[in-house]
Amino acid sequence: SDELTQPPSVSVSAGQTARITCSGDALPKQFAYWYQQKPGQAPVVIIYKDSERPSGIPERFSGSSSGTTVTLTISGVQAEDEADYYCQSADSSGTYVIFGGGTKLTVL
Amino acid sequence: QLQLQESGPGLVKASETLSFTCTASGGSIRSRSYFWGWIRQPPGKGLEWIGSVHYSGNAFYNPSLKSRVTIFGDTSKNQFSLKLTSVTAADTAVYYCVLQATDDRLRLEAFDIWGQGTMVTVSS
Repeated sequence: SDELTQPPSVSVSAGQTARITCSGDALPKQFAYWYQQKPGQAPVVIIYKDSERPSGIPERFSGSSSGTTVTLTISGVQAEDEADYYCQSADSSGTYVIFGGGTKLTVL
Repeated sequence: QLQLQESGPGLVKASETLSFTCTASGGSIRSRSYFWGWIRQPPGKGLEWIGSVHYSGNAFYNPSLKSRVTIFGDTSKNQFSLKLTSVTAADTAVYYCVLQATDDRLRLEAFDIWGQGTMVTVSS
């Protein structure tokens, strides 16, 4: 079955660049989306269709895609970016939604 | 701007049916641009998609939950609902109602708008 695999955790010092990967066999066929979730809050979409940034999302958040892996990059990480990040896509036939397991970003 | 608010039972017993309602404000849910969806998150765990239904009748459900799930809408009340039957402790979670973007081909895209979530505990 189609799955999305993320690292459970990523740690980065403030001001550095964080990269969170999401891998899955369906990603060459389906767009990926990224969400940020802070404790006690609902997730918020921060990247659409692999690399598009919604209005209101800081420019330090960017997305890219290469083959079966999509990557969320946070440049110049700030303390407020500490959160859980989830990738989302669809199965290869586009009939159901898949979430990655989530990555906890820790800002040192 | 559309906002969503879930309502749910808080606590149910195993084997019963869970029912949730999502009420929208600030706009209409009768839109070709969105699916009505539900996502849940067990305590301390990740997100799990439950299903998404379009007002045209097209519906997509998580294969692992499909036999127990129904999602339906009442556009006259600007609401949509989730029913989950034969619940167990594994169904304990925060349940979010969402509006999922789509296009003319009814592709499953991003979850644009989320409710604040409602916690449900299934007791044995």
